[in-house]
Amino acid sequence: DGGITQSPKYLFRKEGQNVTLSCEQNLNHDAMYWYRQDPGQGLRLIYYSQIVNDFQKGDIAEGYSVSREKKESFPLTVTSAQKNPTAFYLCASTQPSGTEKLFFGSGTQLSVL
Amino acid sequence: QKEVEQNSGPLSVPEGAIASLNCTYSDRVSQSFFWYRQYSGKSPELIMSIYSNGDKEDGRFTAQLNKASQYVSLLIRDSQPSDSATYLCAVFGAGSYQLTFGKGTKLSVIP
Repeated sequence: DGGITQSPKYLFRKEGQNVTLSCEQNLNHDAMYWYRQDPGQGLRLIYYSQIVNDFQKGDIAEGYSVSREKKESFPLTVTSAQKNPTAFYLCASTQPSGTEKLFFGSGTQLSVL
Repeated sequence: QKEVEQNSGPLSVPEGAIASLNCTYSDRVSQSFFWYRQYSGKSPELIMSIYSNGDKEDGRFTAQLNKASQYVSLLIRDSQPSDSATYLCAVFGAGSYQLTFGKGTKLSVIP
């Protein structure tokens, strides 16, 4: 089945630790996105990538890093510089076409120990 | 800063009634508009997209777009308890690669 796979479903971070969230898609989409969602809030864009080996910062990129070495994969690293990382992280993808329907993975809940 | 505004609710409607969800956006050149449904602890699910002025119907859902008023709405007819969720409005601007989301409206359908 085609889709977007995020792992792990739950992740715990110790203070000062970097953690990496995985996002893989087999939809052959060129564009991939990372969003953060806090309780009772909408989605805020962290990073996005329109093509392999290229990515741009979103509205809240500080304390995060990404890579896009393969079309299928867009991992997100939450660095120790992100002082308030507890949130629900969502990966999404789309095929840029003018209609821009985003499809989401199942999400990763990150908490701080 | 492009903004998408929604009433956070909660919006409570009785089962079988029409639920009306509203959204306004600030970027006048926005081109694509979406409604997502999100159950608690789950990822958003696309339920409607609309690109031109007027109404678009899909089953019990109708999306309405008025670009002059920068307003988009979602009507849910014959509301069911299973429709209870948070509904997110999202807008895609011209020349942008970003989809901007509102904070969502929480809908409760009372049996």
